[in-house]
Amino acid sequence: SAVISQKPSRDICQRGTSLTIQCQVDSQVTMMFWYRQQPGQSLTLIATANQGSEATYESGFVIDKFPISRPNLTFSTLTVSNMSPEDSSIYLCSVAGVPEAFFGQGTRLTVV
Amino acid sequence: DAKTTQPPSMDCAEGRAANLPCNHSTISGNEYVYWYRQIHSQGPQYIIHGLKNNETNEMASLIITEDRKSSTLILPHATLRDTAVYYCIGHNAGNMLTFGGGTRLMVKP
Repeated sequence: SAVISQKPSRDICQRGTSLTIQCQVDSQVTMMFWYRQQPGQSLTLIATANQGSEATYESGFVIDKFPISRPNLTFSTLTVSNMSPEDSSIYLCSVAGVPEAFFGQGTRLTVV
Repeated sequence: DAKTTQPPSMDCAEGRAANLPCNHSTISGNEYVYWYRQIHSQGPQYIIHGLKNNETNEMASLIITEDRKSSTLILPHATLRDTAVYYCIGHNAGNMLTFGGGTRLMVKP
């Protein structure tokens, strides 16, 4: 199993600013995933973060808007840049275990 | 991940069995059927998975049809704490998950 600590749990931010979300795992993992969950919607994959290489972004998500760092095998950050109210969502990190995946508790972001 | 289809919502009386259906007609031969749930404002939680055979654990039972085109998650004695969104996903372990719309289960007293 894996325990994931995600910070902050929630934040209210001004439009035009940036927020960095941290994800710490209690074991070494190869791949970490970042998801977005817009209000009332399902989870959508933003990107896959591998240690030692650039993140792989899904269609509709770009590095300039959602830069990701993966400095080691237990930690990753997602930055939401130049925020607008449309970025108000829950952001979750996840790791792929066998057989199941594990998720952080999410960061609830409100942009005003 | 295979495309899955689930009813958007269901109600269940507390103490009764909750049977949540899922269609996954395009699931490939080596993809497992996974079920996760998301209780309000929390990260998704793994429930159970299976390939061909029916599976049971302390949380639920999973019934997979012989042709693997559909499955049913059974919560044998639903409680109010089982109120959540339930996601059925065709998936191979170790990769990212593709979430569909899920079923919002409301357990009522």
